[in-house]
Amino acid sequence: AQSVTQLGSHVSVSEGALVLLRCNYSSSVPPYLFWYVQYPNQGLQLLLKYTSAATLVKGINGFEAEFKKSETSFHLTKPSAHMSDAAEYFCAVSDRFGNEKLTFGTGTRLTIIP
Amino acid sequence: EPEVTQTPSHQVTQMGQEVILRCVPISNHLYFYWYRQILGQKVEFLVSFYNNEISEKSEIFDDQFSVERPDGSNFTLKIRSTKLEDSAMYFCASRTPGTGNTEAFFGQGTRLTVV
Repeated sequence: AQSVTQLGSHVSVSEGALVLLRCNYSSSVPPYLFWYVQYPNQGLQLLLKYTSAATLVKGINGFEAEFKKSETSFHLTKPSAHMSDAAEYFCAVSDRFGNEKLTFGTGTRLTIIP
Repeated sequence: EPEVTQTPSHQVTQMGQEVILRCVPISNHLYFYWYRQILGQKVEFLVSFYNNEISEKSEIFDDQFSVERPDGSNFTLKIRSTKLEDSAMYFCASRTPGTGNTEAFFGQGTRLTVV
């Protein structure tokens, strides 16, 4: 079975500061990993994904994440936070076989302080 | 840009009533999913559908739930007799065939409120 743990249900950073959202996964097979963002009253939008190509993955809106197998981590970062980054962020894992359903973490709500 | 469309955006129903949530996946996609998100909780997988049949379902997806692809464009989730605990945001998602490199596109969700 696969699972994802997101450390910190709420993270607050100042505008212009580094954003770091943590995600650790558990999977018995090499995983696919994803970060999704959810703005208030909206659906889920893919930020980036890891599918076994480069371990450093760049996504939309200046976000990136690094797959570290030794640490079973896939942390999301952005060098400089913007007010528009305020949202809920979900890390998710899927397997490489079958229907590739997503297993989500509990989410991290990011607040940007002006 | 193609998108997954869900209707209605918000539905209020009385406990015990049947509801049908509708989704129009992206046209060339072949894998379809329903997920739900109870307020303040994580997004949970309900069911996946491929080649006109359920390919996997979670423990949540009991006999009260069913899915159907009645024509070439719609994908529906039916809850036969709603319970208070069915209140949640329901997301439809779809993706193309192929492993790994295809992302799941999500709709905007239907907020179901059971009273």
